[in-house]
Amino acid sequence: DSGVTQTPKHLITATGQRVTLRCSPRSGDLSVYWYQQSLDQGLQFLIQYYNGEERAKGNILERFSAQQFPDLHSELNLSSLELGDSALYFCASSVGGSSTSTDTQYFGPGTRLTVL
Amino acid sequence: LAKTTQPISMDSYEGQEVNITCSHNNIATNDYITWYQQFPSQGPRFIIQGYKTKVTNEVASLFIPADRKSSTLSLPRVSLSDTAVYYCLAVTYKAAGNKLTFGGGTRVLVKP
Repeated sequence: DSGVTQTPKHLITATGQRVTLRCSPRSGDLSVYWYQQSLDQGLQFLIQYYNGEERAKGNILERFSAQQFPDLHSELNLSSLELGDSALYFCASSVGGSSTSTDTQYFGPGTRLTVL
Repeated sequence: LAKTTQPISMDSYEGQEVNITCSHNNIATNDYITWYQQFPSQGPRFIIQGYKTKVTNEVASLFIPADRKSSTLSLPRVSLSDTAVYYCLAVTYKAAGNKLTFGGGTRVLVKP
């Protein structure tokens, strides 16, 4: 158990809909990262937040957005869903993430999103 | 921005040593290289991290040559339970915004 929690574990929805994925980082961690992993594909980095502020942006679509709240939990919002958005979405957290290259990311169990 | 490249897959047998190389051109001076292990439908798990030369922990070794254009993860005496996908990660921390680059992953199959 990494200490990172993600809800829900599974989500099934229809095309065109909007969903919100939630992540609670490990106690004390200030950074949250979001990743997308399509079936049998590698990890695609989406976005990183550090202490409430966006710190890095990867291949995140405009239909997707994220935020980190004062209590440090984070939400990933996916809108106008398409079939191709079906994937595992992982959240990771780390202690720092602002200026420390040695930060280790701890991954949650993921949310499996199925778009029908 | 560092670009990381890994072999797609490799097979091995129980008890053998497995070496996975990740190529990372344009790696920044302060970048560390981190390796993760992922089992199906689970989140990746930290294995080892290094900057230069050799680092060893209880599960793996990581060798990064002086030019730092590549790194090699070494798994000694693998067992069936080491069958997984292994990812290398380069992180560049900048005031203007961090850059994270995962390799495409190497699927390791350990056979009996």
